[in-house]
Amino acid sequence: DIQMTQSPSTLSASVGDRVIITCRASQSINSWLAWYQQKPGKAPKVLIYQASSLESGVPSRFSGSGSGTEFTLTISGLQPDDFATYYCQQYNSYPVTFGGGTKVEIK
Amino acid sequence: EVQLVESGGGLVQPGGSLRLSCAASGFTFTNNWMTWVRQAPGKGLEWVANIKQDGSDKYYVDSVKGRFTISRDHAKNSLYLEMNSLRVEDTAVYYCARIPGSDSYFDYWGQGTLVTVSS
Repeated sequence: DIQMTQSPSTLSASVGDRVIITCRASQSINSWLAWYQQKPGKAPKVLIYQASSLESGVPSRFSGSGSGTEFTLTISGLQPDDFATYYCQQYNSYPVTFGGGTKVEIK
Repeated sequence: EVQLVESGGGLVQPGGSLRLSCAASGFTFTNNWMTWVRQAPGKGLEWVANIKQDGSDKYYVDSVKGRFTISRDHAKNSLYLEMNSLRVEDTAVYYCARIPGSDSYFDYWGQGTLVTVSS
């Protein structure tokens, strides 16, 4: 199975900050990576797919990059609505696996 | 508007069974792979199973193989998860989600249904 490791697990930031979350795969997943945002009590929402493609309707302050085993999600100019938990997910091979999550908290 | 509505969750004893349903609307259900993902209380996301458009291919996480069965009914635009031999560690919110195209990320999710396995 492909293990997905996110860092950091918790991040404290202020409105307007640039935030970078990292996701590492235990083996190459090419660009088959998605990023999700989840708020308490709600279903996850996809932000990025295929490592760098922005899902329709998602603000352009969210961006993704990387390929192979190293990936990043960047939020350029953190907004109050962005305080949430973020997950990466690989879909290169079964079983589909998620990272452990990164909680973005208010500083 | 794409909508996915799960139902069927509840409290069940270890070793028991439960069937989850997911009613789909707002898109052509026969065109998409579908999935179940779960989230234990206070924990991260765990993929459970995928099913192909025509039901001919199914994939499961190892921890549920032989116990859970994913299926779909196109006449009812519904996705199902039959869960047998339930364990305490199966306690989670179960989400159904749609898979766009041939990729296996998940673009629309239901609101989730809680399954609690406890004596």
